[in-house]
Amino acid sequence: EAQVTQNPRYLITVTGKKLTVTCSQNMNHEYMSWYRQDPGLGLRQIYYSMNVEVTDKGDVPEGYKVSRKEKRNFPLILESPSPNQTSLYFCASSFSRGGGYTFGSGTRLTVV
Amino acid sequence: GENVEQHPSTLSVQEGDSAVIKCTYSDSASNYFPWYKQELGKGPQLIIDIRSNVGEKKDQRIAVTLNKTAKHFSLHITETQPEDSAVYFCAARGFITQGGSEKLVFGKGTKLTVNP
Repeated sequence: EAQVTQNPRYLITVTGKKLTVTCSQNMNHEYMSWYRQDPGLGLRQIYYSMNVEVTDKGDVPEGYKVSRKEKRNFPLILESPSPNQTSLYFCASSFSRGGGYTFGSGTRLTVV
Repeated sequence: GENVEQHPSTLSVQEGDSAVIKCTYSDSASNYFPWYKQELGKGPQLIIDIRSNVGEKKDQRIAVTLNKTAKHFSLHITETQPEDSAVYFCAARGFITQGGSEKLVFGKGTKLTVNP
């Protein structure tokens, strides 16, 4: 089944403790992206990647890092999480610049 | 950069009625406009999209219209059913940066409730 898989689905952590949210797609998509979803603010792009080793900032990149060492994987790294990063995170992938995105099921992160 | 406005933020209709959600965008270079449906506890799912060289597209009970001159596009759902209840997002994609990087900008969403 074609899908984008995120892990974990739920995560509660403490301020300052480094964490990684993994994202993997099995559709051989070139384009991948991370979004955060907050009430009243909709979906905001954090980072995206056009291909292996090619990444670029989105609208809200502060406090986040990404890497794209393999085509299928696009992990999101929070080196020192803070409470304002409590949010619902989605990974998405697309086969081309003009194609629609396939989203993962989301990761609900709480930073206390 | 691109800015997408979506209205209304909430919409309640009776089963069988039609629902219309409207979006406006700011960047005239935007050339692709997808719509996503997000059910509770799930990620957004692409339901229909339209490109800038087309004015209207229909898929069963769902249709999307695009007015490039006015820079607005709309989602129309006819004969609504309770399973249509969800949050709907519009989006606009264009080539924003000098390097040709593309960017998908979303509206803030419309919560549609279809009452039986």
